[in-house]
Amino acid sequence: DAKTTQPNSMESNEEEPVHLPCNHSTISGTDYIHWYRQLPSQGPEYVIHGLTSNVNNRMASLAIAEDRKSSTLILHRATLRDAAVYYCILRRSGGGADGLTFGKGTHLIIQP
Amino acid sequence: EPEVTQTPSHQVTQMGQEVILRCVPISNHLYFYWYRQILGQKVEFLVSFYNNEISEKSEIFDDQFSVERPDGSNFTLKIRSTKLEDSAMYFCASSESRGGTGELFFGEGSRLTVL
Repeated sequence: DAKTTQPNSMESNEEEPVHLPCNHSTISGTDYIHWYRQLPSQGPEYVIHGLTSNVNNRMASLAIAEDRKSSTLILHRATLRDAAVYYCILRRSGGGADGLTFGKGTHLIIQP
Repeated sequence: EPEVTQTPSHQVTQMGQEVILRCVPISNHLYFYWYRQILGQKVEFLVSFYNNEISEKSEIFDDQFSVERPDGSNFTLKIRSTKLEDSAMYFCASSESRGGTGELFFGEGSRLTVL
């Protein structure tokens, strides 16, 4: 599976936007970019995914670079509840590894 | 909102004992997964299951482990002869589809403590 690189941790203030970067320079044309998060003492939770175009849902936005070698998860207005570890994961379409491969992710700290 | 449920939430067992962790996936989902997370470490893939058979397993998932979907609703992970290093959170997940667009729904986890 293609590898992703994320900062170990980031800090932001409550009610401000947060931009979480992810590099995936070896991404293949059939890899979808997925983001999951894990709140303290909980199971991972799906956030968003995309292939080429930017995506929006009720939780976040995903901005994908034109060359697809990087992406950014955007939380438009962070709350204390958004403090979690955020994982950027590539998932191949049409076969390949079935399970998600979690890295260390980015530990997002939200200051009140 | 439908959710994946896991039982027990916490199990304490003696080394060498057998443990069964249970999961009820979301009802219309077809793909089922077990992951584990040792305290302070990454979430690790163990096994995926589809159409009543294992579709993929990791190196961690050796002969000590087995999975089963005994009755069309439950999905179980059996750990035979538990070892101290099996102490971890075990997460079950299910998905309606696989591959690039498949979104996994995770349960809250079962904490296993092996003494």
